[in-house]
Amino acid sequence: SAVISQKPSRDICQRGTSLTIQCQVDSQVTMMFWYRQQPGQSLTLIATANQGSEATYESGFVIDKFPISRPNLTFSTLTVSNMSPEDSSIYLCSVGALDGPSYEQYFGPGTRLTVT
Amino acid sequence: QKEVEQNSGPLSVPEGAIASLNCTYSDRGSQSFFWYRQYSGKSPELIMFIYSNGDKEDGRFTAQLNKASQYVSLLIRDSQPSDSATYLCAVNAGSNYQLIWGAGTKLIIKP
Repeated sequence: SAVISQKPSRDICQRGTSLTIQCQVDSQVTMMFWYRQQPGQSLTLIATANQGSEATYESGFVIDKFPISRPNLTFSTLTVSNMSPEDSSIYLCSVGALDGPSYEQYFGPGTRLTVT
Repeated sequence: QKEVEQNSGPLSVPEGAIASLNCTYSDRGSQSFFWYRQYSGKSPELIMFIYSNGDKEDGRFTAQLNKASQYVSLLIRDSQPSDSATYLCAVNAGSNYQLIWGAGTKLIIKP
């Protein structure tokens, strides 16, 4: 399975500021995703990060608020812009790997964001 | 709308017993089914995936898939306190490899 790292692991930010989260994978992967997980809740997909093109956002998430970059097959960033306390959450990078007919999806360790 | 349903629990099981976790899904076209374990404060960890009807065993874990009834289950034999976690069921139905997630079942193994 791919080894995924995220930076920062946690941060406390002031309202109105922006934070960029980095996701690095130890091998080239086709699919990369960004999720959000509120405390005690399940996973919510923010967007699919597409290499070399604009990310594909899910309903309720927009590029102005959550700009995403994916310059190559091993790296992606998610920016949380103009933060409010409602953005406090865990943000997770995930990668999908194909192995013949099999498909598996793995998660990074997450970034715990608190907005004050 | 595609949905994945899980009982939120908590499900309490004595140590050494079999824990049975269930998941139903709405899209008959679903092809891949996954179980993740998530410890408190940690990210989800893939523990099992299954594509075909029937059982798939891996150590103490068995995944069971019944496409006709649209459910997938996870059995944990000889449950240990370290199995206490939230178990997330996920289903892939489309060609874009996105997963549809259940809300998770909290499992508590009592010594």
